Amino acid sequence: GQQVMQIPQYQHVQEGEDFTTYCNSSTTLSNIQWYKQRPGGHPVFLIQLVKSGEVKKQKRLTFQFGEAKKNSSLHITATQTTDVGTYFCAGRNYGGSQGNLIFGKGTKLSVKP
Amino acid sequence: DGGITQSPKYLFRKEGQNVTLSCEQNLNHDAMYWYRQDPGQGLRLIYYSQIVNDFQKGDIAEGYSVSREKKESFPLTVTSAQKNPTAFYLCASSIDRTGHSPLHFGNGTRLTVT
Repeated sequence: GQQVMQIPQYQHVQEGEDFTTYCNSSTTLSNIQWYKQRPGGHPVFLIQLVKSGEVKKQKRLTFQFGEAKKNSSLHITATQTTDVGTYFCAGRNYGGSQGNLIFGKGTKLSVKP
Repeated sequence: DGGITQSPKYLFRKEGQNVTLSCEQNLNHDAMYWYRQDPGQGLRLIYYSQIVNDFQKGDIAEGYSVSREKKESFPLTVTSAQKNPTAFYLCASSIDRTGHSPLHFGNGTRLTVT
């Protein structure tokens, strides 16, 4: 079945350093969503990418969707302690049912002040 | 404020007992979902519902049951047939049935079965 692989599983950075997490799908995706889950919290939607090669920015966060729509990345510039949490990507197949949103296992980010 | 309410936050049960987790939303969303999250794992879909009185199995439906008698409510029953029920359960909703709208999650219920 379809898989969405996310790397790395963990990332420890010093405050001010950059951070990137990557998602790769075994199949072409119709769209990809990104979520952030703070420690002890629930996932919160960040953004959705739909178009091939799409790039979207939210302040220090940059999201990219690959040209082949099989991979995506989230890059955080100059991390802050408020960025701590687990970042999940979730991809959907073309023609997939509404339940066909496949989550990656997440990248857990810790930031040392 | 609109949102999704899951109760209780923590739940403890003895092995062999069925337990029902509550999920209520006042967002007027059509679709609702149940996910299970285990440590170091992503979210795995248990059941989802696109409309009242209709629901579909997700990837790990065995040992679980749901109902959708009202648009606002989507309770999940963890039955004694679920071999490893201890987990963090997340309910979510989305505004429509197209599959392209974001998920809004509740705060979750942490179930411990001993």
